[in-house]
Amino acid sequence: NAGVMQNPRHLVRRRGQEARLRCSPMKGHSHVYWYRQLPEEGLKFMVYLQKENIIDESGMPKERFSAEFPKEGPSILRIQQVVRGDSAAYFCASSPRTGRLSGELFFGEGSRLTVL
Amino acid sequence: RKEVEQDPGPFNVPEGATVAFNCTYSNSASQSFFWYRQDCRKEPKLLMSVYSSGNEDGRFTAQLNRASQYISLLIRDSKLSDSATYLCVVNIRGGSYIPTFGRGTSLIVHP
Repeated sequence: NAGVMQNPRHLVRRRGQEARLRCSPMKGHSHVYWYRQLPEEGLKFMVYLQKENIIDESGMPKERFSAEFPKEGPSILRIQQVVRGDSAAYFCASSPRTGRLSGELFFGEGSRLTVL
Repeated sequence: RKEVEQDPGPFNVPEGATVAFNCTYSNSASQSFFWYRQDCRKEPKLLMSVYSSGNEDGRFTAQLNRASQYISLLIRDSKLSDSATYLCVVNIRGGSYIPTFGRGTSLIVHP
């Protein structure tokens, strides 16, 4: 499958636990974006990464959330000490290009986090 | 003011109708614009890019008005399968260029 792969598709956590969401971009894509979508809401930008670098994390909460995109392996979005408000769909998207003419994103199917 | 604004709808139209959505953006320096489609509980998928001269893809026409800072999507001869949420995306420069999504406009096409 040459598309963007996200796992797990569904994740249930209790308050205070950790959630780890993984994303493998399309082959040949080096730009990864994470977005969060709350029920009945639009997609909110969280973080933009390239291999081994966080380019823009302006949309990510300062506490409990972190992201990485190591040289080898998938990008990971990590949420520590989850709270009920973290329940959402987390979408990863990859792009072959960046800059002012970018915006052509290829999305994974999303990871749906439910916090009990 | 939100960076990208859309009327959430829903737009409820019969098959065969023509329907148009608008989207306004606040950053006049934005360089690229797109329409995405999102089906219920699915991932967004690129529908079409929006070029300055306007562009057409089958029943879909997208236009950009830089002076008024809005883009539009026109769907002709609506099909039941067009029912979805249509997301406006504008590339907005903060620390870097970030594709920024509007909340989406819901379209329901009925028989």
